[in-house]
Amino acid sequence: DAGITQSPRYKITETGRQVTLMCHQTWSHSYMFWYRQDLGHGLRLIYYSAAADITDKGEVPDGYVVSRSKTENFPLTLESATRSQTSVYFCASSESRQGSGYGYTFGSGTRLTVV
Amino acid sequence: DQQVKQNSPSLSVQEGRISILNCDYTNSMFDYFLWYKKYPAEGPTFLISISSIKDKNEDGRFTVFLNKSAKHLSLHIVPSQPGDSAVYFCAASARKDGGAQKLVFGQGTRLTINP
Repeated sequence: DAGITQSPRYKITETGRQVTLMCHQTWSHSYMFWYRQDLGHGLRLIYYSAAADITDKGEVPDGYVVSRSKTENFPLTLESATRSQTSVYFCASSESRQGSGYGYTFGSGTRLTVV
Repeated sequence: DQQVKQNSPSLSVQEGRISILNCDYTNSMFDYFLWYKKYPAEGPTFLISISSIKDKNEDGRFTVFLNKSAKHLSLHIVPSQPGDSAVYFCAASARKDGGAQKLVFGQGTRLTINP
């Protein structure tokens, strides 16, 4: 099905473990984004990508790594998970440089708990 | 430093009445503003947007007003319906920057429509 898919939907991991959150989109959108949602902070940008092999930091990049070897995939890796990274993570894509009237299209999110 | 602020964490409105959600921003470079709606366990979905060259945009029951001098925007929903119960995020971007349309989000307002 066309759209943007995140996996897994739920994940529990231990402090210090490496964990990767997956994001796949079928529209061939150039731009992809990772946000985290936390109470009191709304949505904060972690990393974004303008195209394959082009990534850049957002507002809260520390502790995260991204890659984009293919246009359709944009995985987010927590190299050594900490409790402060417990959050809901949203991937989004956008079709144009200047954005469209519809902004981003978001995935359904991954709820990550670090214990 | 929160560039986009939604100062009301929650709002309760009676069905059929008007709902008014407010948003303030500090960055004068922002020139495009959007509202997203989010249901539990789902990603945010685009609702309505407005460019800084306008002061009002209407789409059915939803109207967004922009007051650039006050750096304030508001979303009006009339009449409010039970299905409008959700979290609403205000977002802004500076499209003149070029490149990715990085959206900056507010903290969100939880709207509850009471029958």
